[in-house]
Amino acid sequence: GEDVEQSLFLSVREGDSSVINCTYTDSSSTYLYWYKQEPGAGLQLLTYIFSNMDMKQDQRLTVLLNKKDKHLSLRIADTQTGDSAIYFCAETPRGYQKVTFGTGTKLQVIP
Amino acid sequence: EAGVTQFPSHSVIEKGQTVTLRCDPISGHDNLYWYRRVMGKEIKFLLHFVKESKQDESGMPNNRFLAERTGGTYSTLKVQPAELEDSGVYFCASSPSGGPNIQYFGAGTRLSVL
Repeated sequence: GEDVEQSLFLSVREGDSSVINCTYTDSSSTYLYWYKQEPGAGLQLLTYIFSNMDMKQDQRLTVLLNKKDKHLSLRIADTQTGDSAIYFCAETPRGYQKVTFGTGTKLQVIP
Repeated sequence: EAGVTQFPSHSVIEKGQTVTLRCDPISGHDNLYWYRRVMGKEIKFLLHFVKESKQDESGMPNNRFLAERTGGTYSTLKVQPAELEDSGVYFCASSPSGGPNIQYFGAGTRLSVL
């Protein structure tokens, strides 16, 4: 299957941590990604994780991968108003080049 | 270095008309992809070029859509004739050969079919 599921909306206060969750169904996925889309802009690759890793940290971003449960999360520390955007979880199934996206989670940061 | 550029940014046409979207990938990227997001739904894969060849066109919805990449540089996606359900945002992405499959996306073309 190629379903990638995310909650549609998340609201956090500025300075708090945000955690965006995603579940996927294709256990053969080689790469898993988080993309960010700001209003009127394209998709910006935030970070990616290879399927043989379980964690990746990049400044304020932490990605956790639980392959057993097919669960991917993105944690944003010290969330800022500039982090308000839609965040897409995505995967590349093994043997393919195409990227399969989730529906996106709209993150609203309240000042 | 210029990123992936798409033209136009927005197109409004009437049902039955023809529209051509253009994508210029990052220079040197052999892989070029088209995706689209219709209202309220996921971003869906349409097709993948490697240089000028179609590697995977499994996501193309029907024969009203024609993608080309002559010379292996820029690509066009033509919709003829356009239908109401074709409205959405069409994204283009490119990636280099080899290494992790990191795709760089353009800002998209918003197509409105009235």
